Amino acid sequence: GAVVSQHPSRVICKSGTSVKIECRSLDFQATTMFWYRQFPKQSLMLMATSNEGSKATYEQGVEKDKFLINHASLTLSTLTVTSAHPEDSSFYICSASREGLFYEQYFGPGTRLTVT
Amino acid sequence: AQSVTQLDSQVPVFEEAPVELRCNYSSSVSVYLFWYVQYPNQGLQLLLKYLSGSTLVKGINGFEAEFNKSQTSFHLRKPSVHISDTAEYFCAGSSNTGKLIFGQGTTLQVKP
Repeated sequence: GAVVSQHPSRVICKSGTSVKIECRSLDFQATTMFWYRQFPKQSLMLMATSNEGSKATYEQGVEKDKFLINHASLTLSTLTVTSAHPEDSSFYICSASREGLFYEQYFGPGTRLTVT
Repeated sequence: AQSVTQLDSQVPVFEEAPVELRCNYSSSVSVYLFWYVQYPNQGLQLLLKYLSGSTLVKGINGFEAEFNKSQTSFHLRKPSVHISDTAEYFCAGSSNTGKLIFGQGTTLQVKP
């Protein structure tokens, strides 16, 4: 149990376009989902926390208008990178936690975004 | 400030040898502690977690960790490593807001 999927696993887009990444909890209801960014050979950096039906809470330094997060249901959260630029190229990982168990996060397999 | 520190960026070890990956946490981090493993181009897999109770925690793949409150440490150990254990390992603690705070990661390189 506690499986989280991400789609797509890899995406290449042109500079200036937008790309959407989906994060789904397959066998549990995720009241909270987290979005992380990971640069090569580095640790995970939390970008934002989203609760179902609420606006996402962004970490300091993360542009809300650039990284749009929607958590429309208890099993789906999406991250849209708007007007992507090469510096947005990164590995994006989502995680999900159950209600009342905020400290236990289950991670998706990640999405490799390359902006050309 | 809340922080989790992994003291070694890389740990090379020969196959079948024991290994310890070190992790220290700041006292302001909540005592929910985790070790994750990440294989190349993949997400994180939970190895083990300490929430409460026994300070010696056993996880998957033969790994274990010991929570030491006085030394604010949560070191990961395995008595005999395999080539397949080569990966990136992350220690993490849960803050009082529920967010995970990650260490910098340790690359375990198992040599034949």
